Order: sequence, then C-alpha cells, then structure tokens
Amino acid sequence: QLQLRESDPGLVRPSETLSLICTVSGDSISSGYYYWVWVRQPPGKGLAWIGSIDDSGSTYYNPSLKSRVTLSIDTSKNQFSLKLSSVTAADTAVYYCARLWSNGFDPWGQGTLVTVSS
Amino acid sequence: EIVLTQSPGTLSLSPGERATLSCRASQSVSSKYLSWYQQKPGQAPRLLIYGASYRATGIPDRFSGSGSGTDFTLTISRLEPEDFAVYYCQQFGSSPLTFGGGTKVEI
Repeated sequence: QLQLRESDPGLVRPSETLSLICTVSGDSISSGYYYWVWVRQPPGKGLAWIGSIDDSGSTYYNPSLKSRVTLSIDTSKNQFSLKLSSVTAADTAVYYCARLWSNGFDPWGQGTLVTVSS
Repeated sequence: EIVLTQSPGTLSLSPGERATLSCRASQSVSSKYLSWYQQKPGQAPRLLIYGASYRATGIPDRFSGSGSGTDFTLTISRLEPEDFAVYYCQQFGSSPLTFGGGTKVEI
C-alpha cells in the first residue's frame, strides 16, 4: 500500500534553511490525481498546513509561510521536498508529509521532529 | 481564511459512553471537503471521516460524522479504550487549508 516517509534533518540552526524530503513508495507520485502536502505540528499544539504540490510542479502555500517556503517534486525519484528558510525557534515542530486526494489527507508519513536551536 | 472551532477542548468520558464532538466553521464549507482525523500520542494523524459523513477504510462503525454548512459533528457511539485520543476536523475546499484546534477525548 502507499507509504510516505520523511527524511530526518534533526537539528537546524536559527536563520538557516530547513530541508525535508518525503519519499513515496507503493504508488507513483505521478499518477495525476493527487496533491502532495506538508503539515507541521509544534510540540503540544495543533496541525497546520504548510503547502501542497502536484505532479506538474504547481504549488499552493499557506500565506502565513509563503515568503519562506518552497516545495518541489522529483518524479524520477518518487519524492517531494520542503525548504523553509530563515528558521527560528517557532519553526520547531513535527513535520509530516501526506497525500491529498478527494477524501482528505491520507495516508500520512510517520513525521519527523525538527528542532531549531543553536 | 476559514476558521474551524472545535468544542469542547477536552471531553472526559468513560469506556462505553457516547462522545459528541463539534466543529464549527467561520463560513460555509462544502461537506465534500470536510474530514475528521484521530491522533494518538506519538503518532501521525489518521483519516477517520471524509465527505463529512463517510467512514474511511477500516474505521469501525461506532464512528459517525454528520452536518453541513458551518456545523459538523463527530460521534463515537460507544467509546473503546483505544478511542481516547485527539480529534481534528479539517476543511480542504478553500485555501489556506485549515484544521480545527482539536478535541481531546480522555478517560
């Protein structure tokens, strides 16, 4: 079945760029019916949508992060990526990747905790 | 931006009891784009309900969703021990996609 797995950058220094990769297995990322999304969850808080990308590379960003976020997709590797620039402690969160289709976000990756600290 | 307000913030119940969770939207949401998720500690969210009232694959029939427009409800008819978790509603019909703040169902 479809599975997603986030890379694990661990610690990121303040003002640097957070980079994450989501690897999709069990189906092609280019099937054409889906969007691929990033969601984050600060410790002890709720879920927040970061942005979405389709297999043609069209992107949609949360306005609250738009100036700092870049999503990209590599169909040859069945991966999509997130870059978040100029990070601060407020960007410390568990980052999830997921598939968006007609039913919602399903499935999700297991999540990866990214800590911003010097 | 569509704001989703979930209530109550915390629901304290016992196994076997009925849980009723509310999700209210700041403007009308098409039922087609309203979903509910369950999240247990240390785990990723899991899709429970899509299209406001349809159970996702493998979800027990004690979970049901209802509502339309700005008011949606998730009901758990008889709580099982594994149902104690945080539940989120979400709309994905209007950008930015938004989640409610969550309802924690605790023993």
